[in-house]
Order: sequence, then C-alpha cells, then structure tokens
Amino acid sequence: GAVVSQHPSRVICKSGTSVKIECRSLDFQATTMFWYRQFPKQSLMLMATSNEGSKATYEQGVEKDKFLINHASLTLSTLTVTSAHPEDSSFYICSARDGDRVHEQYFGPGTRLTVT
Amino acid sequence: AQSVTQLDSQVPVFEEAPVELRCNYSSSVSVYLFWYVQYPNQGLQLLLKYLSGSTLVKGINGFEAEFNKSQTSFHLRKPSVHISDTAEYFCAVSEYGTASKLTFGTGTRLQVTL
Repeated sequence: GAVVSQHPSRVICKSGTSVKIECRSLDFQATTMFWYRQFPKQSLMLMATSNEGSKATYEQGVEKDKFLINHASLTLSTLTVTSAHPEDSSFYICSARDGDRVHEQYFGPGTRLTVT
Repeated sequence: AQSVTQLDSQVPVFEEAPVELRCNYSSSVSVYLFWYVQYPNQGLQLLLKYLSGSTLVKGINGFEAEFNKSQTSFHLRKPSVHISDTAEYFCAVSEYGTASKLTFGTGTRLQVTL
C-alpha cells in the first residue's frame, strides 16, 4: 500500500515552453502533497505544500507564478513549470501524506526535467 | 527553524562490514526523525522513523538508528552491509506542529564494495 506515482518520469522541453508533472496517490487519499526539487548530488529542497482544495503554500524563494501547483482532488496534484529555462532542469519529486498517518510521507519516483 | 547535518558525504565500506552514517539535527522544539534511502533516479524510501518511545528504532533491510536527545543525533547503523545497500541516504527532521514538513540533510553516499 501507500504508492505514489509520478508522470512523466522524464521530460525534455524547449526553453520558453511549459511542462506539467502529475503526482498521484494510488491507494490512499492524500490530503496534503509536497513538491521537492533535487539538484544533482544534492539534497531535496521543499518547494511547496499543497492541500486539496486550497492554494499551495510556497517556500521562501520559490516563484509561485513560475511553479504552478494544483491539488484538485484527494489523489492528484500537478506541478506546472511555466516558461521553462535551462536552470529549471532538475529532478522533481512529490510526496503525499495520508490523512490518517500525519507523520509519514510517501514519495513518488521523481521526474527528470531537462530544458534545452 | 530546524536543520540537519550529515557530515559524511561519502562512506566507502566493504561488504559484510558494519557501517554507521551520522546525522545531527538542530531544533528549538521537539522533533520527529527519519532516515530515507534513494537509489539512482528513484524517489525516496523510508528506512525508519522515530516519533516517540524507545530511542532505538529498527527499520527495513536490517538498519537501525538510535535517537540521542542530549547529543541531538540520530545515527544510522547496520551490522553487516551488502552490495545492494549502495545508495544515497538522507536524514530528515520534522518539528512538532509543522504539518510534517521535512527538512533534509545533504545526504551520505554509501558505497559498498567487495
């Protein structure tokens, strides 16, 4: 149980375009989802926290107009990178928290974004 | 705000040898502590967690960790490693009352060789 999927696993896009990444909880309802960014050989940095049906809360320094987060249902959150640039290339990982188990986050497999 | 320090960026070890990965944290309030493992190009998998109770926590794959409040540490140990344990290991902390927001350390690369 507690499986989180992400789609796509890899995406290459041209500079200036937008790309959407989906995060789904497959066998539980995720009241809260988190989006992280990981640069090569570095740790995960929390970008934002999203709660179903409300606006996401962004961490300091994260541009909310560039990284659009939507948590429209209890099993789906999306991250849209708008007007992507090469410096947005990174590994994006989502996690989901089961409402009944507030201290556990279940992580997706990640999405490798390359902006050319 | 909390912070996590993993002093060892890389730990090389021979197969079947014991290993300890160090983690220290800083926080002004009580915390929950976690160890995650990440295999190449994959997400994170929870190894073990400390929420309360016994300070010695056992996790998956034969790993264990001990919470030491006085030293603000949560070191990860395994008595005998296997080649398949080669991966990146992250220590993370979550403060009471922060809705499970995790702060991660910079990670330790465990390299197991024959």
